Amino acid sequence: RKEVEQDPGPFNVPEGATVAFNCTYSNSASQSFFWYRQDCRKEPKLLMSVYSSGNEDGRFTAQLNRASQYISLLIRDSKLSDSATYLCVVNLKAAGNKLTFGGGTRVLVKP
Amino acid sequence: DVKVTQSSRYLVKRTGEKVFLECVQDMDHENMFWYRQDPGLGLRLIYFSYDVKMKEKGDIPEGYSVSREKKERFSLILESASTNQTSMYLCASSLQGARGYTFGSGTRLTVV
Repeated sequence: RKEVEQDPGPFNVPEGATVAFNCTYSNSASQSFFWYRQDCRKEPKLLMSVYSSGNEDGRFTAQLNRASQYISLLIRDSKLSDSATYLCVVNLKAAGNKLTFGGGTRVLVKP
Repeated sequence: DVKVTQSSRYLVKRTGEKVFLECVQDMDHENMFWYRQDPGLGLRLIYFSYDVKMKEKGDIPEGYSVSREKKERFSLILESASTNQTSMYLCASSLQGARGYTFGSGTRLTVV
């Protein structure tokens, strides 16, 4: 079983709609959680950290469910520029500063 | 902003060649990492370093080595390139205890 699993998609989303997707992680000792965004043929960039109480950054909302070991990302009022691959990233306390990446969920926002 | 610079954007090398991929960061980060990214397999950690002259194996170190002689520079070495090492290579850095990485723009290596 992979340590971090994501639905690869693609999620085809009409412009202006809301899209949400999850990521599951296998190690209950996971400590820190992030969402990264990766555009085609570009490097991943940090989108947002995920906090236990859930957090928002503009149109993006991230949530953590430790009991079920998943995190989620919700995008409201989708823009064409939101088209990208979203990587779920997890850090184990025992792993120090080493992050484990999911395979990514591809989102395509269409007019 | 932290800048992580990878020396080449695209490289084509022949099977059996020794290949050096260079990565330099300009913000005094302690931690540096090398990943490769392949379709369907995601990002996989090759090697990482928490300090100068220090290195640790990641998940797929076979066929690779690294060098960190200076804090700002982390080199990935393919001792004898093979076609299965054709991939996108990404370098990243972070502060000790930091909650996220900054990535370089990647090197797309093709071994023929």
